[in-house]
Amino acid sequence: EDQVTQSPEALRLQEGESSSLNCSYTVSGLRGLFWYRQDPGKGPEFLFTLYSAGEEKEKERLKATLTKKESFLHITAPKPEDSATYLCAPRYSSASKIIFGSGTRLSIRP
Amino acid sequence: DTGVSQDPRHKITKRGQNVTFRCDPISEHNRLYWYRQTLGQGPEFLTYFQNEAQLEKSRLLSDRFSAERPKGSFSTLEIQRTEQGDSAMYLCASSRDDIQYFGAGTRLSVL
Repeated sequence: EDQVTQSPEALRLQEGESSSLNCSYTVSGLRGLFWYRQDPGKGPEFLFTLYSAGEEKEKERLKATLTKKESFLHITAPKPEDSATYLCAPRYSSASKIIFGSGTRLSIRP
Repeated sequence: DTGVSQDPRHKITKRGQNVTFRCDPISEHNRLYWYRQTLGQGPEFLTYFQNEAQLEKSRLLSDRFSAERPKGSFSTLEIQRTEQGDSAMYLCASSRDDIQYFGAGTRLSVL
């Protein structure tokens, strides 16, 4: 069965303290992986798409990487406004379906 | 381009009542998706439309749930005979290619 696991479930960091979030998956016919950010009471906001192992994408303080079985979201020198839930979502070979993990709730203290 | 719009933002209903939610996708996005999200979980796929055709439905979508997308524009999700377990955030997303863009969701509370 296709599964997506994100760790840790929650992470509290001091402003400026860098860390990484993990997304591991067992998805047959993987055709890419998405990262989204979700603020409380809002819908997920697209961050990155990764399509092949070894690929990296960067946006401001965030960098996403992909291997064959997992993806990492590295956050460098985070700020309080980076506090949110970060969701990863592997994409099936079918055009439509993506499976979301449960997310990592990131909290950055000033 | 005003993004994906969902209406209403909040809905409180009594058990057994029917509810209907509306989603207006980003213009020119031919794909539209419905998800359900409960507290502490990621969105769960419910159904997918390409233009007006409903191409995929999750087994989560019981016979009390029905979705339509007439003319391939806006979509509605109806839940009949609501149950307390239906309480959740219902999210709509649209896409033209791989990337799905989400609305703010409709939060349903069933009392």
